[in-house]
Amino acid sequence: AQKITQTQPGMFVQEKEAVTLDCTYDTSDPSYGLFWYKQPSSGEMIFLIYQGSYDQQNATEGRYSLNFQKARKSANLVISASQLGDSAMYFCAMREEFNYGQNFVFGPGTRLSVLP
Amino acid sequence: SAVISQKPSRDICQRGTSLTIQCQVDSQVTMMFWYRQQPGQSLTLIATANQGSEATYESGFVIDKFPISRPNLTFSTLTVSNMSPEDSSIYLCSGLPGLAGGDEQFFGPGTRLTVL
Repeated sequence: AQKITQTQPGMFVQEKEAVTLDCTYDTSDPSYGLFWYKQPSSGEMIFLIYQGSYDQQNATEGRYSLNFQKARKSANLVISASQLGDSAMYFCAMREEFNYGQNFVFGPGTRLSVLP
Repeated sequence: SAVISQKPSRDICQRGTSLTIQCQVDSQVTMMFWYRQQPGQSLTLIATANQGSEATYESGFVIDKFPISRPNLTFSTLTVSNMSPEDSSIYLCSGLPGLAGGDEQFFGPGTRLTVL
């Protein structure tokens, strides 16, 4: 079964509008972390935001916020006031902790296109 | 935050040859990982590079095909052995500075490999 699901292969948003990128996850581990990365066409992976499973409040980093709904196992990324430079692939990732170490898994990604 | 460099940035290789990719971090990291990203797809973890011991490989990846070294806390190499066109991909190195929950992986720029 997929550990990370991103149901939107592609999204379009008008410049200056907000957009939500979906991410659902599957884990039985009580302690885990959720991450969002941006990958522009240049190929670099850029860390955007982190949410811990025990965090009481939703994470925010500038124009990025994470809508964390633990009971639904979702961690959607909200980008406010979209900019043309936001056009990129966005990956949701999860870190699970085990006795033997940590495991990271990435979702399939969502390609966001910001329209002028 | 730490910076990772990878060499080479890209290469075109002949079938049956091997290529070694180097990954250098400008500060010590607890964990280092190697990923493969095929065109248009997400990241797939190849292995965790362990300092001074054999790497931990994910299902579907074996040491004979992808030998990995990690002689110290800032450097690792991945060799793609006996290459075939199916190995054409981007190979990404990443580092994890610590094991705290909020520690995010940061990535190198990737090595774009084409096998003819």
